[in-house]
Amino acid sequence: DARVTQTPRHKVTEMGQEVTMRCQPILGHNTVFWYRQTMMQGLELLAYFRNRAPLDDSGMPKDRFSAEMPDATLATLKIQPSEPRDSAVYFCASGLVRGRAAFFGQGTRLTVV
Amino acid sequence: AQTVTQSQPEMSVQEAETVTLSCTYDTSENNYYLFWYKQPPSRQMILVIRQEAYKQQNATENRFSVNFQKAAKSFSLKISDSQLGDTAMYFCAFLHNDMRFGAGTRLTVKP
Repeated sequence: DARVTQTPRHKVTEMGQEVTMRCQPILGHNTVFWYRQTMMQGLELLAYFRNRAPLDDSGMPKDRFSAEMPDATLATLKIQPSEPRDSAVYFCASGLVRGRAAFFGQGTRLTVV
Repeated sequence: AQTVTQSQPEMSVQEAETVTLSCTYDTSENNYYLFWYKQPPSRQMILVIRQEAYKQQNATENRFSVNFQKAAKSFSLKISDSQLGDTAMYFCAFLHNDMRFGAGTRLTVKP
C-alpha cells in the first residue's frame, strides 16, 4: 500500500527551538511538495522539489525555514528558530512529473508555545 | 503565478441530493491539470477527481463528476446522491509545475 509517510504526526515545542519534519515520498515519485495549512491562510505552498532539486521555495520564510532532499526517499523541512506563528499543520505530498496527482501524507501538527 | 478561487466558503445539502461546488482559476498556460481534494475532519487530504486540460471530456468518478470549461477557466465539482460521509472541506487545485489550492468550501451533508 503505497503512501506518503510524515513524521512526527504531532510536535509541541518551545519558541526558539529547532523543529525538523520528515517526509518519505511514495517510491518512484519524483516530485515533492511541502504545504502549510492554517485557518487564516489555507494551504500555502512552501517549497517543491523535482528529482531532488529544489525548484521553488519562494513560499518559505528564508531566514528560519529550510527544505532539503538528502536522497530520493527523504525530504525534510526545518524551522530554526521556531516561533508561535509557525503553529500549523505541515503537509508533504509527492507525485510524478506532469501531474498524475499529488498524494498527501497525514501531516505534522506543529504547536510552538 | 496561477491563482485558484473558490467563491463558496460554506455549503450544505440534504442527504441523497445533488450539490455543485464552484472553482475558477487564472493561468496563461495551455497544458495543466485540475483536481478536487476532500479533507474530512481527520485532516487527511484525499484525491477525489482529476482532469487533464487537454481532454475535453469531463472526468467522472462514481458519484463525483466535474464540469470543465477551459475557455471560462472554470472547474466545478458535482456530487450526486450526497452521503453523510461526504461532509468535509473540498479544495480545488491547479497543477502546472507547482500545485496551488483554492481556499476551500466546507460542505455539510444533512440527514
